[in-house]
Amino acid sequence: ETGVTQTPRHLVMGMTNKKSLKCEQHLGHNAMYWYKQSAKKPLELMFVYSLEERVENNSVPSRFSPECPNSSHLFLHLHTLQPEDSALYLCASSQSLDRGEQYFGPGTRLTVT
Amino acid sequence: GQNIDQPTEMTATEGAIVQINCTYQTSGFNGLFWYQQHAGEAPTFLSYNVLDGLEEKGRFSSFLSRSKGYSYLLLKELQMKDSASYLCAVMDSNYQLIWGAGTKLIIKP
Repeated sequence: ETGVTQTPRHLVMGMTNKKSLKCEQHLGHNAMYWYKQSAKKPLELMFVYSLEERVENNSVPSRFSPECPNSSHLFLHLHTLQPEDSALYLCASSQSLDRGEQYFGPGTRLTVT
Repeated sequence: GQNIDQPTEMTATEGAIVQINCTYQTSGFNGLFWYQQHAGEAPTFLSYNVLDGLEEKGRFSSFLSRSKGYSYLLLKELQMKDSASYLCAVMDSNYQLIWGAGTKLIIKP
């Protein structure tokens, strides 16, 4: 498989559930990102990892917890989410942090009920 | 604060030319990027400008004026498949991409 993959593609969860989003990149990149995309809003950067170390956390609520076990995999653990967290969650990777050419996965459409 | 402005929606005719503008105010500048996002799909990289001037890539061109904090994406010979959202993003001094909300381009036959 090539590029950036994400699973699941769609997720419906209740506010008390715990779930995880998975991202895998097959490009040999060193930087990985989690974004939140809501309708008619700019992409919101949530977390940035470079060589498996977190380098950015843009004031994201603690109910979102990232994990980067190696440079190819990125997880976003979700617990006690709110309905306003419903959005498209995109994973991306780039060759390095200073490269703005990012490759995106297809996203996970999350609905919190 | 940091800000990227681009029109919310534009309409153009198949075969015509359209220009999508982007203005920005950011803390530092390390390049401006355009991405295309079809409905229900991931954004894909289109172009990159770091120096003033025009970069041409087939039917698509991107222009940058750093002194004016301004860029545009020019699409020629429009095709129906060009119907998509076009996202402008600027890399700031922390090498973080700051994104605009996107311009939805509607192509009519």
